Amino acid sequence: GALVYQYPRRTICKSGTSMRMECQAVGFQATSVAWYRQSPQKTFELIALSTVNSAIKYEQNFTQEKFPISHPNLSFSSMTVLNAYLEDRGLYLCGARLWTGSSDYTFGSGTRLLVI
Amino acid sequence: GDSVTQTEGQVALSEEDFLTIHCNYSASGYPTLFWYVQYPGEGPQLLFRASRDKEKGSSRGFEATYDKGTTSFHLRKASVQESDSAVYYCALSDPGANTGKLTFGHGTILRVHP
Repeated sequence: GALVYQYPRRTICKSGTSMRMECQAVGFQATSVAWYRQSPQKTFELIALSTVNSAIKYEQNFTQEKFPISHPNLSFSSMTVLNAYLEDRGLYLCGARLWTGSSDYTFGSGTRLLVI
Repeated sequence: GDSVTQTEGQVALSEEDFLTIHCNYSASGYPTLFWYVQYPGEGPQLLFRASRDKEKGSSRGFEATYDKGTTSFHLRKASVQESDSAVYYCALSDPGANTGKLTFGHGTILRVHP
């Protein structure tokens, strides 16, 4: 079956430092990857959509300068949270889909980021 | 922009009770509608989807019918079990926009007591 693994599952970083998280698709080719953040009191906020061989599209309030994303092949994507602060706390979810015409995403279990 | 509203923030039931979680949406065009379930420590899992007016999606005893007239996609289950305790999210995607973006509601926490 189609699975998405995210690591680390949980991480703590000091305020002002950076943290990289990874997303691995297994059993299918992740043509497109969506990165979401799930914060306390908020639902899922889309950070960016990344499609292999296309430009990464960031949502309003999220920028490449703060959340650089790499999507080098059909099975892997990574995102870094640069200069993390308290408001960046949350569960970061990676959702991968097979083809760009589909809205069926398979989500990983997320990377929970704590900032101290 | 597109939005999804879930009326209930939390629902507490006993086993074998009937479940309804209300979902209303606002979108231009003809969105695809989803229900996702999220268990503690995991990412959201797709329960089912519906793409056309009057289409019914169903899985594991849960069901919802796409109603374009009332812009609703209410989740129902005739008899809940303790193992159904989780957070349920209604979501939509606008195929016409071709962005692949999923817009989620704020979620409904379901607690089922034995």
